[in-house]
Amino acid sequence: SQTIHQWPATLVQPVGSPLSLECTVEGTSNPNLYWYRQAAGRGLQLLFYSVGIGQISSEVPQNLSASRPQDRQFILSSKKLLLSDSGFYLCAWSESDYGYTFGSGTRLTVV
Amino acid sequence: AQSVTQPDIHITVSEGASLELRCNYSYGATPYLFWYVQSPGQGLQLLLKYFSGDTLVQGIKGFEAEFKRSQSSFNLRKPSVHWSDAAEYFCAVGPYNQGGKLIFGQGTELSVKP
Repeated sequence: SQTIHQWPATLVQPVGSPLSLECTVEGTSNPNLYWYRQAAGRGLQLLFYSVGIGQISSEVPQNLSASRPQDRQFILSSKKLLLSDSGFYLCAWSESDYGYTFGSGTRLTVV
Repeated sequence: AQSVTQPDIHITVSEGASLELRCNYSYGATPYLFWYVQSPGQGLQLLLKYFSGDTLVQGIKGFEAEFKRSQSSFNLRKPSVHWSDAAEYFCAVGPYNQGGKLIFGQGTELSVKP
């Protein structure tokens, strides 16, 4: 069966520090992968999506970047975090017409 | 423009009462429609989805939703709410193809009174 792993679960980072969040999917091949951010009291904002290795589309200009070095690995990064980068980050994948399957999320607090 | 509107930011119902969460969408093509639930600090779990066919769809945890094309709505219902249903609920719409991007509403937070 397919599973999606996302880590770490929580992270507290100082302003100006780098960031790396990882998401991996098991039990499927060539999935579409997505990074969403959920700020406090807000809905889900699509940050990046990827339809294949090395193929990244950015939905909103920001301080973040994404990479897909392997078929089932999706990484969210930043060189220098801002206070406004705080939020709940969710990775998701889709392979067919069943909608998305979400990871358990990473709570990022930038201090 | 494609969009999803959940008019109610926060709803409080008594345990055992019925529930209806509203969702309206604007979409230029035949949509896939979804409802997700999110418990605090967790990811999103799929409750139900509509692709085609019967406009009343059944989901997990006793939820159902009805697709009304004429009203561009996909409201979520439950006849009797349990305290464990307290969570945030998201409606989403996507393209009628595999793996397309989903557009989410802003969410409705449900509180349940004992």
